[in-house]
Amino acid sequence: GAVVSQHPSRVICKSGTSVKIECRSLDFQATTMFWYRQFPKQSLMLMATSNEGSKATYEQGVEKDKFLINHASLTLSTLTVTSAHPEDSSFYICSARLGGRDGYGYTFGSGTRLTVV
Amino acid sequence: GQQLNQSPQSMFIQEGEDVSMNCTSSSIFNTWLWYKQDPGEGPVLLIALYKAGELTSNGRLTAQFGITRKDSFLNISASIPSDVGIYFCAGPPYGNKLVFGAGTILRVKS
Repeated sequence: GAVVSQHPSRVICKSGTSVKIECRSLDFQATTMFWYRQFPKQSLMLMATSNEGSKATYEQGVEKDKFLINHASLTLSTLTVTSAHPEDSSFYICSARLGGRDGYGYTFGSGTRLTVV
Repeated sequence: GQQLNQSPQSMFIQEGEDVSMNCTSSSIFNTWLWYKQDPGEGPVLLIALYKAGELTSNGRLTAQFGITRKDSFLNISASIPSDVGIYFCAGPPYGNKLVFGAGTILRVKS
C-alpha cells in the first residue's frame, strides 16, 4: 500500500534555531501533501497544503514565514520551523493523497515530535 | 466552515466490552472516515463510508454512515488491549482538505 515516510521521528532543538522535517511518499507520486500539527490530547489541525512546484497554501493563523514549506519534487515535501520557540513544541504530521476514492487516498506519516528547549 | 462533534471524549472500559462512539456534523457529508492513532504515530484509516445508510465492517469494527448524512458511528466489539488509542472521525475533503473530529481516547482495562 501507499507509504509516507516522515523524518525525523523526534527532534529537540534550542530556541532560536531552525528545524527541518521531511515527508516522502515512498511508492507513489504526490502532487499534494498536507502538514498538520497536533497538541497533546487534541485533534489534528491542518497547517498548510503543500503543492509540488508551487507555493504552499497556509491555513488562517499559520505564519508562512515561520513554517516554511518546500515541495520541490513529486515525492518530497519539507517543513522548516524557523526561529523555533518553546510554544512550537508539538507533534507534526504530514499526509499525502494517492488519488482514487477520497477515503483511501489519504496516507499519513508517523509524525515528528518537536521539542524546543 | 465544517464542524465535527465527536463523542465521547474518552472511554475507560473493561476488556471484552463493546465500544461505541459517534460524530455529528453541522453540514451534510458525502464521505465519513474513521481513523485510529496510536501514541506517537500518525493516524491509520480504519473504515471509509461513502453512502448514506452504509454499514461497513473491518474485523471487530463496524461503522455506519447516518441516513441524514450528518452523522456516523463506530462500534468496536469485544475490545482488547491493543484497541487502546485515539479514534478520529474525519469529514470529506472539501477542496482537498480533511476535517477531523476532536477524537475519542480509548483505554482498556485487562
